[in-house]
Amino acid sequence: QKEVEQDPGPLSVPEGAIVSLNCTYSNSAFQYFMWYRQYSRKGPELLMYTYSSGNKEDGRFTAQVDKSSKYISLFIRDSQPSDSATYLCASGHTPLVFGKGTRLSVIA
Amino acid sequence: DGGITQSPKYLFRKEGQNVTLSCEQNLNHDAMYWYRQDPGQGLRLIYYSQIVNDFQKGDIAEGYSVSREKKESFPLTVTSAQKNPTAFYLCASKAGAGQPQHFGDGTRLSIL
Repeated sequence: QKEVEQDPGPLSVPEGAIVSLNCTYSNSAFQYFMWYRQYSRKGPELLMYTYSSGNKEDGRFTAQVDKSSKYISLFIRDSQPSDSATYLCASGHTPLVFGKGTRLSVIA
Repeated sequence: DGGITQSPKYLFRKEGQNVTLSCEQNLNHDAMYWYRQDPGQGLRLIYYSQIVNDFQKGDIAEGYSVSREKKESFPLTVTSAQKNPTAFYLCASKAGAGQPQHFGDGTRLSIL
């Protein structure tokens, strides 16, 4: 079992939809959780970073962590075509463990 | 502007040749990382360094070598022993324990 599992998609939604991206992790020692966005031919860009259970909001993005079920989610409200990218979850300490990424397309 | 600079953006390797990918950061970060990204495989860790003059192998270190002589620089050499080097290579750094990693924009390596 991989330490961080992520559905690779692809996921296609209409503009304005709420998007839910999800990951599970297996190691209960993981303390830090991150979401990255990666556009084609670019490096991953940090979107959200949290180290506790619960929700963290930043504009249209909400990261949710449930340590009891080892589940992390990223919600995107009012999705835009510019949100079309691959989203990577990451967890752990040193080094980070990454999911394989979910490819999202937002259709105008 | 603080950040991580990877060069070149595109690199071609001939059979039997070693090539070196550059990674420089001006963020004053202690730790630096090299990943390889292949379609459908996610990010795979090659090497990482938490301090100058020290580095550890990641999951796929065979055929690669690194050095960390300066805090701001962590070059990766893809040796001729790496039989399938075609991939997108990403360098990252972070300030310390519990801090998130930040990435450069990658180098795409292809075989001639």
